[in-house]
Amino acid sequence: EAGVVQSPRYKIIEKKQPVAFWCNPISGHNTLYWYLQNLGQGPELLIRYENEEAVDDSQLPKDRFSAERLKGVDSTLKIQPAELGDSAVYLCASSLGGSVSVPGELFFGEGSRLTVL
Amino acid sequence: AQKVTQAQTEISVVEKEDVTLDCVYETRDTTYYLFWYKQPPSGELVFLIRRNSFDEQNEISGRYSWNFQKSTSSFNFTITASQVVDSAVYFCALSGNTPLVFGKGTRLSVIA
Repeated sequence: EAGVVQSPRYKIIEKKQPVAFWCNPISGHNTLYWYLQNLGQGPELLIRYENEEAVDDSQLPKDRFSAERLKGVDSTLKIQPAELGDSAVYLCASSLGGSVSVPGELFFGEGSRLTVL
Repeated sequence: AQKVTQAQTEISVVEKEDVTLDCVYETRDTTYYLFWYKQPPSGELVFLIRRNSFDEQNEISGRYSWNFQKSTSSFNFTITASQVVDSAVYFCALSGNTPLVFGKGTRLSVIA
């Protein structure tokens, strides 16, 4: 069974440019997460989807970040415009069912490493 | 607020040594879940274990074992007879009534 697939693996852009990351979760997983991981830190949640609905986006900087999950499957995370401080790894994860109070096992992709120059 | 502290930033051991990774957590929730994930150089986080707050039984899985002590709010992870393939960053994480909160991780280097 295929795992969580993310693309691109690496992206280098200049500041003020837009960038988008794509995630294909494990088939059948209704919950999808985007995490931000800075160097030397643990992942931090940006947004969580239950099917198509964003149920927790409180940590998403909405002035420049946006996300969507069309048809409750694939998801895209966009940054526009990118800033130097956005350089990090963006991780996508999915889980089968579960909730905040009874979390399921999260399966992570390999991440998209963004470098903003 | 939920908080996970992994005080050990980096640990180096020689192959076949045992090593314990510490995890201390803070939560006001009475029901919560604790996790350990492994992040090898390839980048993806690999799930290792999930325990709920009502199950304080220690668990052993091959060379891995976990010691959950509610009295000290700790959920430590021990690798017995470490191998080079164990080299990775290990994250402890906590979920109560909020989404998963990760510690900063412990980088384990196992030297042949």
